[in-house]
Amino acid sequence: DAMVIQNPRYQVTQFGKPVTLSCSQTLNHNVMYWYQQKSSQAPKLLFHYYDKDFNNEADTPDNFQSRRPNTSFCFLDIRSPGLGDAAMYLCATSRVGQGPQPQHFGDGTRLSIL
Amino acid sequence: AQSVTQPDIHITVSEGASLELRCNYSYGATPYLFWYVQSPGQGLQLLLKYFSGDTLVQGIKGFEAEFKRSQSSFNLRKPSVHWSDAAEYFCAVGAGTGGFKTIFGAGTRLFVKA
Repeated sequence: DAMVIQNPRYQVTQFGKPVTLSCSQTLNHNVMYWYQQKSSQAPKLLFHYYDKDFNNEADTPDNFQSRRPNTSFCFLDIRSPGLGDAAMYLCATSRVGQGPQPQHFGDGTRLSIL
Repeated sequence: AQSVTQPDIHITVSEGASLELRCNYSYGATPYLFWYVQSPGQGLQLLLKYFSGDTLVQGIKGFEAEFKRSQSSFNLRKPSVHWSDAAEYFCAVGAGTGGFKTIFGAGTRLFVKA
């Protein structure tokens, strides 16, 4: 089945130690998104890629970066994680169409900071 | 400003009873509306979407939603709830340039009692 896969499902890192989360898709969608979701809250969009065009949300901290080396893969880099960055990180994809399109989500990576 | 309001933080229903989850949106143009469901520890799954046309839309898992422009509402319904429906439900509106920004409501957690 076509899907969005996130690895790892659980990631533990130390305060200030860089960490990378990965996402792959077999849907061949043009758009890939990264969301941060804290407990009992709605997902918060960090950024998205439309093909290779990177779009950062205005309130996304500089600590968060992303790479998309090809259509299938997208990475979230957190350069110096703080305790406040502990959260579930969700990757999603969508096709491009007339108007906003439904998004397909991975199962997320839960990040813990020691 | 664009926003989505889900007035109920949590709802408890008995198995077999009917369900209605409320959603109100604020959006200047024709809204593209979505309902997503999130089970614990998983990503979001699309239940249904409304773009245009028939204001009563059918989704997966027996869910339906009705778009009422006059009330700026997009309530989710199910005639008979199953224990497996216990999850978090998010209403969302597609927005932003190109439609790549989805604005989520805060979510409603559904509890199902036997």
